[in-house]
Amino acid sequence: SQQGEEDPQALSIQEGENATMNCSYKTSINNLQWYRQNSGRGLVHLILIRSNEREKHSGRLRVTLDTSKKSSSLLITASRAADTASYFCATDRYGGSQGNLIFGKGTKLSVKP
Amino acid sequence: GAGVSQSPRYKVAKRGQDVALRCDPISGHVSLFWYQQALGQGPEFLTYFQNEAQLDKSGLPSDRFFAERPEGSVSTLKIQRTQQEDSAVYLCASSLGLLGVVAGAHTGELFFGEGSRLTVL
Repeated sequence: SQQGEEDPQALSIQEGENATMNCSYKTSINNLQWYRQNSGRGLVHLILIRSNEREKHSGRLRVTLDTSKKSSSLLITASRAADTASYFCATDRYGGSQGNLIFGKGTKLSVKP
Repeated sequence: GAGVSQSPRYKVAKRGQDVALRCDPISGHVSLFWYQQALGQGPEFLTYFQNEAQLDKSGLPSDRFFAERPEGSVSTLKIQRTQQEDSAVYLCASSLGLLGVVAGAHTGELFFGEGSRLTVL
């Protein structure tokens, strides 16, 4: 079963525009992570936000977390063609089996040059 | 090595064959995870090791799936009597932390390999 659900499923934008992806989850968490996956490759960790944090920045990435709504968003500013990839949110489960990261189905981002 | 290494990258098996997928984690990483990723889906958890101990195998879909990490480094995921529904990418990930040792310990960043794509005909 998958806990996280990203939305939209697919997003197509022009280079230079901002891209926003959302993630909703079901159970209480310790933290939430965002990963990126290029086609045919493994996942690469982007950013981790803990349950007591509301916002976090890393370069062109901005992540927010609203634990009351059980949702998170990933914003990529000034997008580049190289940002084209699938983006997944992943949560652990508070009190659950450590290491069992649960991924959503992902948002497929396409950035056109 | 510098990253998580998986082999083979591609495997084609006839239905009913046994397959073995290998994962070399980052040196020194205590935790190792196996995930299954179907086409167009997110990774689904299969199993987790802390050193050589398999602490969670709740995600293994059937008793045809078996994973081991006998010396706490390299891990092998074995699938017996493969079925067409086993076709997927099998991802291995490792993590530095000693998860579960401290109550409430947070899951940290996972480092993924490139995956082994299994196609069962």
